[in-house]
Amino acid sequence: DIQMTQSPSSLSASVGDRVTITCQASQDISNYLNWYQQKPGKAPKLLIYDASNLETGVPSRFSGSGSGTDFTFTISSLQPEDIATYYCQQYDNLPTFGQGTRLEIK
Amino acid sequence: QVQLVQSGAEVKKPGASVKVSCKASGYTFTGYYMHWVRQAPGQGLEWMGRINPNSGGTNYAQKFQGRVTMTRDTSISTAYMELSRLRSDDTAVYYCARDGGIKSGWYLEWGQGTLVTVSS
Repeated sequence: DIQMTQSPSSLSASVGDRVTITCQASQDISNYLNWYQQKPGKAPKLLIYDASNLETGVPSRFSGSGSGTDFTFTISSLQPEDIATYYCQQYDNLPTFGQGTRLEIK
Repeated sequence: QVQLVQSGAEVKKPGASVKVSCKASGYTFTGYYMHWVRQAPGQGLEWMGRINPNSGGTNYAQKFQGRVTMTRDTSISTAYMELSRLRSDDTAVYYCARDGGIKSGWYLEWGQGTLVTVSS
């Protein structure tokens, strides 16, 4: 199985801050990497697919980059509604998720 | 519009089995893999496996091999996930999720989740 190491596990930031989450794959996964947002009691929501493509309707303050083994997810200016847990997911082989990053407002 | 509607919450005793259904609508059921993902209380997302609704072929995460069975009924556009020999740590919300098609392994569409509680 491909292991996905996501960091940090939790993060506290202020409204307007730039927030960055990283995900590292245990082997080369090309760009087969997606990012999701999950709010309590809800199913995950797709934000970014194939490392850097913004899903339709997702605000442009969300972005992703990377390829191979190292990936980055960024919120350019944190908004109160962005409080959630974020997950990366690879699908180069059988899919696996990162451990998640819980984002809180400072 | 695409919809995935799952069956209702279940309470099971340790050692029993549970079968969760996921009824799809709004698209060609046989055209997209259906995946199952679970989430234990306060924990992260865990991929369990997938089924090709066209062929019935399956792939399971190693952790669940031998305990999980994924099937489908194309006549009613419904996928099923059965987990056997339940333990207390199988208590979780179980989601079905449709991928985006060939080499499009992201999940835009999710079911609402089914809570399975395993308790004696």
